[in-house]
Amino acid sequence: GAVVSQHPSRVICKSGTSVKIECRSLDFQATTMFWYRQFPKKSLMLMATSNEGSKATYEQGVEKDKFLINHASLTLSTLTVTSAHPEDSSFYICSARVAGRYNEQFFGPGTRLTVL
Amino acid sequence: AQSVAQPEDQVNVAEGNPLTVKCTYSVSGNPYLFWYVQYPNRGLQFLLKYITGDNLVKGSYGFEAEFNKSQTSFHLKKPSALVSDSALYFCAVRESTGAGSYQLTFGKGTKLSVIP
Repeated sequence: GAVVSQHPSRVICKSGTSVKIECRSLDFQATTMFWYRQFPKKSLMLMATSNEGSKATYEQGVEKDKFLINHASLTLSTLTVTSAHPEDSSFYICSARVAGRYNEQFFGPGTRLTVL
Repeated sequence: AQSVAQPEDQVNVAEGNPLTVKCTYSVSGNPYLFWYVQYPNRGLQFLLKYITGDNLVKGSYGFEAEFNKSQTSFHLKKPSALVSDSALYFCAVRESTGAGSYQLTFGKGTKLSVIP
């Protein structure tokens, strides 16, 4: 149980276009989902926390107009990278929190974004 | 504020030898501690956690970790390393209650290389 999926696993796009990444909790309801960014050989950097039905909370330094997060249901959160640039190329990982199980987080497999 | 230190960027060990990946933490309250493993271009896989109870925690793939409150450490260990254990390992912490209980804080990661 507690499986989190991400789609797509890899995406290549042209500079200036927008890319949407989906994060789904497959067998549980997640009241909270987290979005992380990971640079090569670096740790995970928390970008934002999204709660179902409310606006996401962004970490300091993360542009909310560039990284749009929508958490429309208890099993789906989306991250849209708007007007992508090469410096947005990274590995994006989502996680979902299970309320009541020590608030554990379960991680998705990640999405590799490459902006040309 | 909570923090995690993984003092070694890389650990090399011969196959069949015991391995240790170090982690120390800082929280204001009681910690919940986690170890995750990441293979190239993949998301994080949960290995084990300490919530409460026995200080020695056993997890997946033969890994274990010992919670040491006085030394604020949670080192990851395995009695006999396998080549397939080669990966990036992350230690993470969050507080059991209060403002810090909401988010995981990750260490910078330790690359483990098991040499055949």
